[in-house]
Amino acid sequence: QKEVEQDPGPLSVPEGAIVSLNCTYSNSAFQYFMWYRQYSRKGPELLMYTYSSGNKEDGRFTAQVDKSSKYISLFIRDSQPSDSATYLCAMNTDSWGKLQFGAGTQVVVTP
Amino acid sequence: GAGVSQSPSNKVTEKGKDVELRCDPISGHTALYWYRQRLGQGLEFLIYFQGNSAPDKSGLPSDRFSAERTGESVSTLTIQRTQQEDSAVYLCASSDPALQFFGPGTRLTVL
Repeated sequence: QKEVEQDPGPLSVPEGAIVSLNCTYSNSAFQYFMWYRQYSRKGPELLMYTYSSGNKEDGRFTAQVDKSSKYISLFIRDSQPSDSATYLCAMNTDSWGKLQFGAGTQVVVTP
Repeated sequence: GAGVSQSPSNKVTEKGKDVELRCDPISGHTALYWYRQRLGQGLEFLIYFQGNSAPDKSGLPSDRFSAERTGESVSTLTIQRTQQEDSAVYLCASSDPALQFFGPGTRLTVL
């Protein structure tokens, strides 16, 4: 069993819809949670960073962490075709050190 | 300022040859990471450098893989006697302290 599970998709939504992404994990020691966006043939770009449980909002993006359920989510409101990309969740146990990644979810926003 | 840069962007080599991949981190970042991303998959940790501490080599898949870092600057990942299963995108990230920022990657193809 992988430490971090993420549905690879693809997830297709119409422009303007809410995109809902999630990851589950097995290691209860994870404390730092990130979401990266990766366009085709590009490096991952950091979108959101949260520590421990709770919600964090940044513009159209909301990240949620539920440590009791070992479940994290990313919501994208008012989705745009430019949001079409692969979204990777990542986490680690310390603020330094290696990240454990999910497999990534491919999102397609259709005009 | 400038982000993480990697060279070459693409590398095609023949099975059995050695390759060197280079990473220039963001200036002032003390930590540097190498990851591997196989087609359609998430990132797989390879090695991590933090200041003058001994590197965390726990993700290196075999002794054909090695990496060096000069102080808090450039790093080189070397793969000896390449195999077809080494074909992947090799990504470098740097951080100071917690947020990891990625370069564009080197796409390695082993024929």
